[in-house]
Amino acid sequence: KAGVTQTPRYLIKTRGQQVTLSCSPISGHRSVSWYQQTPGQGLQFLFEYFSETQRNKGNFPGRFSGRQFSNSRSEMNVSTLELGDSALYLCASSLDRPSYGYTFGSGTRLTVV
Amino acid sequence: AQSVTQLDSQVPVFEEAPVELRCNYSSSVSVYLFWYVQYPNQGLQLLLKYLSGSTLVKGINGFEAEFNKSQTSFHLRKPSVHISDTAEYFCAVSSFSSGSARQLTFGSGTQLTVLP
Repeated sequence: KAGVTQTPRYLIKTRGQQVTLSCSPISGHRSVSWYQQTPGQGLQFLFEYFSETQRNKGNFPGRFSGRQFSNSRSEMNVSTLELGDSALYLCASSLDRPSYGYTFGSGTRLTVV
Repeated sequence: AQSVTQLDSQVPVFEEAPVELRCNYSSSVSVYLFWYVQYPNQGLQLLLKYLSGSTLVKGINGFEAEFNKSQTSFHLRKPSVHISDTAEYFCAVSSFSSGSARQLTFGSGTQLTVLP
């Protein structure tokens, strides 16, 4: 059974550019969440999608956005990149049952220069 | 609102010694509790979770955790560690209710370093 797949694994972007990260959840999982991990702030929740609808959003500026497709794959977009956006971005998928928990991908390491 | 405090940022321990990683949480509603492990340059792997029932939870790789509601704690233990257990460990909570959105709230992590 394939796990959560995130692409690309590594990205280098310049300040002011935009970036799109992709996440393919485990087959059958309809809930996809995104987290940002930095040394200073730790793991912070970005947003969660379920059946193509954003159900919850963390405390991030509007430059951070996402979407989910009908096959449950999800993308997140960051526009007008800042140096502080350099982070590991993690995607997690779930069956949307309280007992199940979350399965994480290996992440996308974004470096903004 | 909920929060998680991991009391130790770094824990060095010798191989084959026991270890306890401490986690306290705060929440105004009932929560589910998780421990995740992260190896360098990798994502998070679920070690164990507490949903309800027995307060002692067993997970993978010989880890276990005990839920203490009165002390709002969920400490992770292993009786004998190996070099391969060197990693960062995260405690997390999530509140669930029917139809609600979900998110995990993480602690700041504990770096476990197993020394030969």
